[in-house]
Amino acid sequence: NAGVMQNPRHLVRRRGQEARLRCSPMKGHSHVYWYRQLPEEGLKFMVYLQKENIIDESGMPKERFSAEFPKEGPSILRIQQVVRGDSAAYFCASSPLDTQYFGPGTRLTVL
Amino acid sequence: DAKTTQPTSMDCAEGRAANLPCNHSTISGNEYVYWYRQIHSQGPQYIIHGLKNNETNEMASLIITEDRKSSTLILPHATLRDTAVYYCIVRVVGLNTGNQFYFGTGTSLTVIP
Repeated sequence: NAGVMQNPRHLVRRRGQEARLRCSPMKGHSHVYWYRQLPEEGLKFMVYLQKENIIDESGMPKERFSAEFPKEGPSILRIQQVVRGDSAAYFCASSPLDTQYFGPGTRLTVL
Repeated sequence: DAKTTQPTSMDCAEGRAANLPCNHSTISGNEYVYWYRQIHSQGPQYIIHGLKNNETNEMASLIITEDRKSSTLILPHATLRDTAVYYCIVRVVGLNTGNQFYFGTGTSLTVIP
């Protein structure tokens, strides 16, 4: 059983471009969480999704950020018009119900 | 937000037991205590969780006090590969939310040869 997959592992964008981060949950997991980790800080919750539904997006900035978890395919975290402050590691976790299992993360660098 | 308090850093000699404390004095009766660790910049790794009874698995033991206001993660024989940041997390389950995990700054454990 493969673990949580995230791609790309590293992403470089220039200011104003769009960033798309993908997360494939573990088989059988229908819950997906996204977290952001700034350098030297802990993980901050962003959004929680179930298939085709956003359950809780209280940790996600209101502008430029969006997330989806379609019926088929991976969950996508989308950041529009990136700024330097968006540079961080973005981790996805999947869960069958309670325990969360994390992917290796995507490191976004905004130039 | 985090609802937990951990020491910022700890050292442990290789081969000895590492005891990592966590205070969660405002924990509710139906909230679980979870432990994760993050090695360097990798994704957090699940270690163990519990509600009120002590728990043990192949990685560690979790001791929860009777009043549930604190807990201790025990790595019985620490190795150099156990050097990591350890997060103690209280699982919050809200009416319209999922199992949100609040990560604090954790305890940076250094295992010394």
